[in-house]
Parts: sequence; structure tokens; C-alpha cells
Amino acid sequence: KAGVTQTPRYLIKTRGQQVTLSCSPISGHRSVSWYQQTPGQGLQFLFEYFSETQRNKGNFPGRFSGRQFSNSRSEMNVSTLELGDSALYLCASSLEGTGPEKLFFGSGTQLSVL
Amino acid sequence: AQSVTQLGSHVSVSEGALVLLRCNYSSSVPPYLFWYVQYPNQGLQLLLKYTTGATLVKGINGFEAEFKKSETSFHLTKPSAHMSDAAEYFCAVRRGLNDYKLSFGAGTTVTVRA
Repeated sequence: KAGVTQTPRYLIKTRGQQVTLSCSPISGHRSVSWYQQTPGQGLQFLFEYFSETQRNKGNFPGRFSGRQFSNSRSEMNVSTLELGDSALYLCASSLEGTGPEKLFFGSGTQLSVL
Repeated sequence: AQSVTQLGSHVSVSEGALVLLRCNYSSSVPPYLFWYVQYPNQGLQLLLKYTTGATLVKGINGFEAEFKKSETSFHLTKPSAHMSDAAEYFCAVRRGLNDYKLSFGAGTTVTVRA
């Protein structure tokens, strides 16, 4: 069974641009979460989607948005990029919407903002 | 509110020696606790989790952790370090059954000396 797939693996953007990151969960998984990882702030929760609905949201500005499609694939968008948005963005999927299911993480998208 | 504190950002051990990574949590409700490992340029992989029941939890790669409610701790151990254990380790907590936001500790980087 294929794991969580994130594309692209690396991205370089300039300030002010916008970017879209993609995440394909493990087949059958309906929950997708996004995390930002930086050396200074560590791993921080962005948001979580289940059956195309955002259920949880972290403390990030409105420039960070996401969505989930009917096939459970998810996209994350960051508009008006800032230097501080440079980070590894990790996507994780889990099977169902109940219980402390373990998360399966992708390898991430490394975003560099110049 | 809940948070996780990992004591020690770097740990260096000799091959064959005990690995001990410390994690303390604060939570207003019974927590679900996790340890994840991240190898260079990869996503996070679940080592083990505590939900309910037995307080000594065994995970993959010979790791185990003990939940101690009285000490609000969930320390990770491995009796004998291997070179392949060199990685970054994250302790994480989730508030309960329907909360899918993971709060991570700052991480501990483990180096293994030959």
C-alpha cells in the first residue's frame, strides 16, 4: 500500500508569491492534517480535514488555507509568501474520524522563500 | 491546554549504551502520548503510543516508553543503541478521543558514537 505522498518535494518561491502544496493520503484514509516544521518553532499544527470539512485549525494567519477533495486528497495554499514561511510542510493521514488513530506522515515539501 | 517538554535538545550515546529521552507533558485531561522519529530528509514515523491500559508501551526498533501519571512523564528508552538510531525524536500529546491536533515537543537529536 502506498504511503502518504506529498508533491512537490522542494519549492523555491519569492516573497509575495503564492504556493500550493499537494498531499495524497494513504488509500482509504479520510483524515488529512498539515504541520509546519521550522528549526525555531518546531512542529506546529496547521489544520485538519475530514471528509472535505476542516475540523481543526491551528494558530496561523489567514494566508494559510487548505481544502480536501472528495477523494481525500488535500491541498494547502499559502498566499503572499513571507521569508518566515520557509519551512518543511508535512502532511499526515489517518484512517477514520474517531479514536486516537496513529498518523502516517509524508516526507514533506521543503519550501524556501527568497 | 496541553504542552510537551522534551529535556535536552541533543543526546549523544555510545553504540550499545542505554538511550534515554525525556518527555514531560501537561494536560487537563487524560492524554494520548506518542513518540515519533524523524530521519534526515524524511517525514515522521511513529515509534509507539500510549492511549489507555498498560503503562509500559513497547514500540518498534526496540524502543519502549513508560507512562507515569504521577510524574506526568513519558520517557523513551532503548537498552542498547545502534548506529541506525541516530535521528531526531519527538514526543507528542493529543488531548483525547476526538482531538486530532498533535502538540509536539521541540525534539531531541540523538547521535550515536561508534
